[in-house]
Amino acid sequence: QVQLQESGPGLVKPSQTLSLTCTVSGGSISSGTFYWSWVRQPAGKGLEWIGRIYSNGNTNYHPSLKSRVTILVDTSKNQFSLKLSSVTAADTAVYYCARDNVQSGRYYAGIYYYYYVDVWGKGTTVTVSS
Amino acid sequence: QPVLTQSSSASASLGSSVRLTCTLSSGHSTYIISWHQLRPGTAPRYLMKVEVSGSYTKGSGVPDRFSGSSSGADRYLTISNLQSEDEADYYCETWDDNTRVFGGGTKLTVL
Repeated sequence: QVQLQESGPGLVKPSQTLSLTCTVSGGSISSGTFYWSWVRQPAGKGLEWIGRIYSNGNTNYHPSLKSRVTILVDTSKNQFSLKLSSVTAADTAVYYCARDNVQSGRYYAGIYYYYYVDVWGKGTTVTVSS
Repeated sequence: QPVLTQSSSASASLGSSVRLTCTLSSGHSTYIISWHQLRPGTAPRYLMKVEVSGSYTKGSGVPDRFSGSSSGADRYLTISNLQSEDEADYYCETWDDNTRVFGGGTKLTVL
């Protein structure tokens, strides 16, 4: 089965760029209709979706983070990555990579697509501090 | 954008049942939602999708003790025969207009 593993520095200085990589094993990042997401959880708080990417490079980002986030995919390495610029202490969190699956169906207005996370990585803690 | 509302905490006794609720905001009552379990030291786990009809689809390996249901704008996760390992945080999520939304999470304590 597909497994995801996050990697990257655990400590980033304020104003710098946070960079993480997610390695996908047990399946190809290019197969099927899957998107690949990043989610984070600050200590003591809830989950926050950051954004996602498809194997062709199409992306969607959370509106509140869009100006600082870049998600890239490297199909040759079966990896996707997260870059978050101009970080502050508020970006300190556990960062998860995840797989987005899709359910589609018909409703009165046409076809719907429901995307949901069905596989998670274990997460990696990133602290923003000088 | 939909808003998902969850109670911050819940508790139930070992071996009993508990029902967690995720409420969709006005205008979004027909949305599908998903449930996830987060336990310290382990990868989060996708549990199931729940549709407005009450139909639910569980993830691979999710025990039969976990089930889903729906009533109006409420989506439920019921855990029967509670085990100590069910003590965790439970989050619901949904998808709309190219954005994922999470509920605030419910911390479940098994007494």
